Amino acid sequence: GENVEQHPSTLSVQEGDSAVIKCTYSDSASNYFPWYKQELGKRPQLIIDIRSNVGEKKDQRIAVTLNKTAKHFSLHITETQPEDSAVYFCAARVPLGGNNDMRFGAGTRLTVKP
Amino acid sequence: EPEVTQTPSHQVTQMGQEVILRCVPISNHLYFYWYRQILGQKVEFLVSFYNNEISEKSEIFDDQFSVERPDGSNFTLKIRSTKLEDSAMYFCASSEQSGRAREQYFGPGTRLTVT
Repeated sequence: GENVEQHPSTLSVQEGDSAVIKCTYSDSASNYFPWYKQELGKRPQLIIDIRSNVGEKKDQRIAVTLNKTAKHFSLHITETQPEDSAVYFCAARVPLGGNNDMRFGAGTRLTVKP
Repeated sequence: EPEVTQTPSHQVTQMGQEVILRCVPISNHLYFYWYRQILGQKVEFLVSFYNNEISEKSEIFDDQFSVERPDGSNFTLKIRSTKLEDSAMYFCASSEQSGRAREQYFGPGTRLTVT
């Protein structure tokens, strides 16, 4: 099955700096890669996603890049703010016969220091 | 904006008891999921459900777990005989039917505590 690895497990940056979180996946059939932000005690919230036919996607301060050959994708947050502090999870989905289950990375705890 | 809802928000039960966690997916969604997140750990896939049957289940989803869509709106997860290690946050999610990849929307979760 699909295996998603995520690094780093913790990341601390100064406000205004950029943060990069990286994930690798194992199944080349994976075609959808969402990123979720989870604040303490709350549900995972989708913040950005990318499909396998796209190499890069940007939404204001957040961008995601995908390298299908290397089977890795990254989340980039620019001009970080204290409210960006949360746990970020990457995920990959393998479309097996119409199924849509996802496999998550272990998460990255991002701390943005004011 | 429509949201996935879950009840209860917190369930405390004794080991060996049965629990039913309830979810109301977004109304036009046809794929439903349950995930588990043990405190401080990653989100783990349990099961996906489509067209009134299980599409796929993980190794975690053993015989003590079952899912049901008893009516047109609810989607339930039953744990037959709870164990201490079942203590976790359980998230329900739903997505639209589509031939293309679609986003999964998560509910707020049910915190299950087994004592």
